[in-house]
Amino acid sequence: SQQGEEDPQALSIQEGENATMNCSYKTSINNLQWYRQNSGRGLVHLILIRSNEREKHSGRLRVTLDTSKKSSSLLITASRAADTASYFCAPYMNYGGSQGNLIFGKGTKLSVKP
Amino acid sequence: DSGVTQTPKHLITATGQRVTLRCSPRSGDLSVYWYQQSLDQGLQFLIQYYNGEERAKGNILERFSAQQFPDLHSELNLSSLELGDSALYFCASSVFGPEEQFFGPGTRLTVL
Repeated sequence: SQQGEEDPQALSIQEGENATMNCSYKTSINNLQWYRQNSGRGLVHLILIRSNEREKHSGRLRVTLDTSKKSSSLLITASRAADTASYFCAPYMNYGGSQGNLIFGKGTKLSVKP
Repeated sequence: DSGVTQTPKHLITATGQRVTLRCSPRSGDLSVYWYQQSLDQGLQFLIQYYNGEERAKGNILERFSAQQFPDLHSELNLSSLELGDSALYFCASSVFGPEEQFFGPGTRLTVL
């Protein structure tokens, strides 16, 4: 299992602006997942992108994956105050069966000001 | 609502005591994961169970233990509690492997 490293650690924007968060990892992956955590709450799965995919969309979310650079980015368009949360990436490699686990980094703390 | 339930929501206890945290996974999910989240350590993976068997172990202390029962609910036992064990404890579940995990609301443990 490997840990993703999110960048920046903190991001503050105005409502309506776009927010971009980056994730880097070290070794090969099967997929990479993004999660959101509102303060004191459990993580919520946002999107999963597989290693053979380059881009994926879900509503206002756009995720890209560059396996050659071992990096991913999460773009939130037209941000809202409700998007204020911490965002985590989790690179995952399946070594067979149901083994392996997700290692979460410190996340990017996004603050969207109304 | 993720479909994962955790009890209790809050727990306040004293050093040296033992507590049990309970988790019920989403219907149909066979894997259960436990995480500890504290301000200084971030979100730490503790242990994974799959269909009753331990499958992966992370930074779980020897004072902590877990099990998954035949009905797939899981319990995390924390003993000889120390002040530093104060944290949010999350349970998550998935159908099979950790490809998409669904997190419960957490149990906030305070050790005084």
